[in-house]
Amino acid sequence: EPEVTQTPSHQVTQMGQEVILRCVPISNHLYFYWYRQILGQKVEFLVSFYNNEISEKSEIFDDQFSVERPDGSNFTLKIRSTKLEDSAMYFCASGGQGPYEQYFGPGTRLTVT
Amino acid sequence: KNEVEQSPQNLTAQEGEFITINCSYSVGISALHWLQQHPGGGIVSLFMLSSGKKKHGRLIATINIQEKHSSLHITASHPRDSAVYICAAGSQGNLIFGKGTKLSVKP
Repeated sequence: EPEVTQTPSHQVTQMGQEVILRCVPISNHLYFYWYRQILGQKVEFLVSFYNNEISEKSEIFDDQFSVERPDGSNFTLKIRSTKLEDSAMYFCASGGQGPYEQYFGPGTRLTVT
Repeated sequence: KNEVEQSPQNLTAQEGEFITINCSYSVGISALHWLQQHPGGGIVSLFMLSSGKKKHGRLIATINIQEKHSSLHITASHPRDSAVYICAAGSQGNLIFGKGTKLSVKP
């Protein structure tokens, strides 16, 4: 069964460094999403992406964040200058039938030291 | 304010028991998701539903659109069902998540 994959599973970085989190959505899916979950808190929406552009973003998704679909298969989340508070699990999701359909990846745990 | 509320927050059961987790939402939705999160943090999609009922193995999910309520049932619970179960609802891509229900099934 097709699934969303994410790499790396765990990323440790120093404050101020740039990180790129990678996601491979399910093939033929058109809708892509990033979410994050700070330890002990709810999962929060970051951004949705469709037709090669951001369709919606939350207040969390500020200028430090960007998303890209560089090669038609990967979907990346970049954090330009990481802060301690960016430490969280980051989940990617993709959907094919419409914006309501979402399949989640296993997540990347980002630790900023 | 759009909210998704789950109950109970914590649930302890004996192996074999029938389990129900509830989710209420205030948003208008196109779909509601039930997700399972294991201690390592990874999320697994269990169900996506917009009406009626779905069944997969020992798991059953129901939704009542008029009452803005969904339930996740686990029949013949097993210790391996121990996890956090999360309800998420939304009308477009922007899903709103509940806080999760931590289920512990004891042998």
